[in-house]
Amino acid sequence: DAKTTQPNSMESNEEEPVHLPCNHSTISGTDYIHWYRQLPSQGPEYVIHGLTSNVNNRMASLAIAEDRKSSTLILHRATLRDAAVYYCILRDRSNFGNEKLTFGTGTRLTIIP
Amino acid sequence: GAVVSQHPSWVICKSGTSVKIECRSLDFQATTMFWYRQFPKQSLMLMATSNEGSKATYEQGVEKDKFLINHASLTLSTLTVTSAHPEDSSFYICSATRQGRYTQYFGPGTRLTVL
Repeated sequence: DAKTTQPNSMESNEEEPVHLPCNHSTISGTDYIHWYRQLPSQGPEYVIHGLTSNVNNRMASLAIAEDRKSSTLILHRATLRDAAVYYCILRDRSNFGNEKLTFGTGTRLTIIP
Repeated sequence: GAVVSQHPSWVICKSGTSVKIECRSLDFQATTMFWYRQFPKQSLMLMATSNEGSKATYEQGVEKDKFLINHASLTLSTLTVTSAHPEDSSFYICSATRQGRYTQYFGPGTRLTVL
């Protein structure tokens, strides 16, 4: 799987938007961009994924650069419950059925009340 | 949504004993289940991939005779840590995928402490 690079940590004020960046300059044409997050002492949970177009769901938005070499996870209004480690992961859709996830170090998001 | 449970949520055992951790998909059939291990302040590391009815595929460096994985049904996989030692103390997390789906659903994790 291609490698992703994320900042180790970020802070944001409560009720403000948060933009979590991810660089994936070696992304291939068949790679989906996935985001998971892990709250303290819990298993990871799926947040969002996309291929080329920007994506929105009830949890977040995903903005993908036109060249796909970077993406940004957007939390529109951060709450204290959004404090977690956020992982940006590339998954090759040509390996459909081989669902192995490779976790990097992620970004530890701290929300300031 | 798809729910994955793990049991127990935490366990303390003596060195040399074996511990079994269960991973269940509660509302879907999981064709593939994965076992991860996470040490404090570190990321998740995949240990093995298991498909129902077949032998698990272990990642490089993971001892298959120490970490026994059984995936006997489409809703249950078990990880047995045999002859546990203090260095096996970790947070063990399972995940599961539905056939034909891309999203991986994670369990809440099991914290193992070996004394």
